[in-house]
Formats: sequence, C-alpha cells, structure tokens
Amino acid sequence: QVQLQESGPGQLRPSQTLSLTCTVTGAPVNHGGYYWSWIRQHPGKGLEWIGYIYYSGSTSYNPSLKSRVIISVDTSKNQFSLKLNTVAAADTAVYFCARTNYGAGKYYYYFDYWGHGTLVTVSS
Amino acid sequence: SSELTQDPTVSVTLGQTVRITCQGDSLRSYYGSWYQVKPGQAPILLIYGKNTRPSGIPDRFSGSTSENTASLTITGAQAEDEADYYCNSRDNSGNHLVFGGGTKLTVL
Repeated sequence: QVQLQESGPGQLRPSQTLSLTCTVTGAPVNHGGYYWSWIRQHPGKGLEWIGYIYYSGSTSYNPSLKSRVIISVDTSKNQFSLKLNTVAAADTAVYFCARTNYGAGKYYYYFDYWGHGTLVTVSS
Repeated sequence: SSELTQDPTVSVTLGQTVRITCQGDSLRSYYGSWYQVKPGQAPILLIYGKNTRPSGIPDRFSGSTSENTASLTITGAQAEDEADYYCNSRDNSGNHLVFGGGTKLTVL
C-alpha cells in the first residue's frame, strides 16, 4: 500500500521560505517508473501543479513558480521535499504531494497516490 | 487562466448521465486524467490514459477524447458523486503538467 505524508510548518510570515517534506511508504522513490510531484490548492480554488522530480534529480517546474521553487529528493530517507522562497499571502494553500505515473511514450501522466495535504498559511 | 478549460458548474439529476468536458490544444497530442475532489479530502484519480479506471473506481465513470476535448462521463450519477472534478494533462509546450480550472458537479 503506497502512502504519502506531507510535513512541515503550517504558518509562515511573508518573505520566508516554505519547506515541506513528503515521506513515502510502500514504494521506493528511486523506482525509475515514477516522478514525484507537489500540487497545491488555494482556498476555494483549483488545483495547481507546482513541479515534479525524478529519482535521478531531474526536475520540471510550473513556469509561473519556477523562479521560487526547488524540489529535491532524498532516496536514503525515501522522501522528497519542496522549497518555495519569498512566500506571500497568495501562497496560502493546501499543499499535496503525489506519486506521478505515466504511460508508454509519456502520452499521459497521472497522479495515482496522494498525501492528505497540509495547509500552509502565510500571514503577517 | 489554465490551458485546459472546464465549465465551472454542471448539474445532473440523480440517476441520469452527465458529461464533464476539458478543452485544450495539448489534448490533441496527449491524453488527460480525471480527479474527484471533495472538501477536506485528497483528490481521487478516476480515469487516466485512453479510458482506464484504477481499481476501486466504479464503472459508472468513463473517459473519452475527441480532437481537443477530453470528457468524463458519469452514467447514472449518484448523490455521492457531488464534488469538484479536475482534468490534467501536459501543457501546450509538452514540458509541464497542468490542471483544468475544475467543474463543480451538483446532483439534483
């Protein structure tokens, strides 16, 4: 049974750095068949893909967040992490981590396992 | 605004069939996936690829794609299907992933 669990501070001040970790159980993050994503949902709004990482360290980021985001992986702890710097109130959201699977030829990607999400509030 | 466009709200009478659509140029090249989101819960994967349901997803959920439009069909909508639905695919560049804006489904 694959499970993901987000952890990290729930409250931040503007200009601080958001740091979240996703601990994965039931599947190795160094499995070559998957990517590992961060996704967020602003209060009352839609889902927004932040980015993903491959076990090798290769990453892809949402262009709108690319300048502020770093996703990293720690295969020894079976975790991957999100850093988002210079946060503002607009970064208040529920942050999800998710395993990202893909089909042959990468004609489709899909998020098959999700964490429960963690609310991060940015407020002065 | 998202590169994948969804109708913000859709309603269906209990037991009837409803189609939720997702439009975008990238869907001409890539399949979409569909997720159900209820308040306070993690999203649930419903459909991926051409029309594949993960284990445990009822067969009243099905997917299809035509040209630039992906569709999620619920055949015989149940009260518990009232939720938000999101599509996801690659963006127009093919280098990133993107979600549609979401559709709120009301079951009457």
